[in-house]
Amino acid sequence: GENVEQHPSTLSVQEGDSAVIKCTYSDSASNYFPWYKQELGKRPQLIIDIRSNVGEKKDQRIAVTLNKTAKHFSLHITETQPEDSAVYFCAASPGNQFYFGTGTSLTVIP
Amino acid sequence: GAVVSQHPSWVICKSGTSVKIECRSLDFQATTMFWYRQFPKQSLMLMATSNEGSKATYEQGVEKDKFLINHASLTLSTLTVTSAHPEDSSFYICSADSGLSYEQYFGPGTRLTVT
Repeated sequence: GENVEQHPSTLSVQEGDSAVIKCTYSDSASNYFPWYKQELGKRPQLIIDIRSNVGEKKDQRIAVTLNKTAKHFSLHITETQPEDSAVYFCAASPGNQFYFGTGTSLTVIP
Repeated sequence: GAVVSQHPSWVICKSGTSVKIECRSLDFQATTMFWYRQFPKQSLMLMATSNEGSKATYEQGVEKDKFLINHASLTLSTLTVTSAHPEDSSFYICSADSGLSYEQYFGPGTRLTVT
């Protein structure tokens, strides 16, 4: 099955700085890569996603890049704000199942 | 649109009893539903894929006789944790796939505590 690794597990940045979270996956059949933000005890919220036929996607302060050859993808958050503090999960999808990374706890320091 | 609900939001049960959790797609038909469990400060682990009218497909290491899944309609899937033990205490989250896009829509989760 698909194996997704995510780094770092924790990340602290100053408000206004950028944050980068990286994921790797193992199954070359994966063709959809969503990123989720999850607050404690709540459901995951989709923040951005990318399909395998695209190398980069941007939505305001959030961008995702995908390198299919190397089987890795990254989340970039620019101009971070305290409300960006949460746990972020990447996922890879070969077919319709989602396999999640181990999560990154992001803290934005005011 | 694309709202998924779960019931109950939390449940406490005694060891040895069974607990049923419902997952409903409120405003769309879900061709496929998925069940995840999440331990504190850990990731979401896919337990099984549930297709309406057919048997669920379980991920490796998940006991199908312990976690019974029924997907009786295009808007409802249920997960029954049978003979629950304290180690089954976890946050269980479902998601639904409309079949129209790659996206899955997540329920709010059910916190199960087994005493």
